[in-house]
Amino acid sequence: KQEVTQIPAALSVPEGENLVLNCSFTDSAIYNLQWFRQDPGKGLTSLLLIQSSQREQTSGRLNASLDKSSGRSTLYIAASQPGDSATYLCAVYTNTGFQKLVFGTGTRLLVSP
Amino acid sequence: DAGVTQSPTHLIKTRGQQVTLRCSPKSGHDTVSWYQQALGQGPQFIFQYYEEEERQRGNFPDRFSGHQFPNYSSELNVNALLLGDSALYLCASSLLGQTYEQYFGPGTRLTVT
Repeated sequence: KQEVTQIPAALSVPEGENLVLNCSFTDSAIYNLQWFRQDPGKGLTSLLLIQSSQREQTSGRLNASLDKSSGRSTLYIAASQPGDSATYLCAVYTNTGFQKLVFGTGTRLLVSP
Repeated sequence: DAGVTQSPTHLIKTRGQQVTLRCSPKSGHDTVSWYQQALGQGPQFIFQYYEEEERQRGNFPDRFSGHQFPNYSSELNVNALLLGDSALYLCASSLLGQTYEQYFGPGTRLTVT
């Protein structure tokens, strides 16, 4: 059974810092991996999708890497801003022939001005 | 291009009642998945519909049922509501056979009292 773990559970940083969020998964036989952002009480906003053949994806100040062999992904946020405060969720597409996502419990990020 | 839409936004029900949540997929998508997100947790997969049939089901009781219509929209029904069913219910759509990527709606917040 695929399990996804995110560390740390919560993170508080001052504005301007670069930071790394970690995601690990137990079964390396995955398809894609996706990072989401969730604001309190809201739905999910997709940040980055890393396809199984890729090792990283970049969008603006965000960079996500994927190492399937070690079961790890990282989300790097450069020059953090207060508007980045949210919960960040990592999810993997299981290799079962179905487009099913298994989510971690998220990292709650607070960026202080 | 309309994204995934869900209705209603919020819902309050009493224990023992039944509820129906609705989802319209992104234009061009044919597969709908439902997820339940309890407070402070990552979303959990409920089931997935394609061609009006349930393709895969997560670890949820039979009180949770669904339907997909010919226009690809979908309903999630929950019978005999329990307090523990209070959660954010997320619908995601995708195109079967394409790059594994799901697009999420804003969710329906269900409160059971």
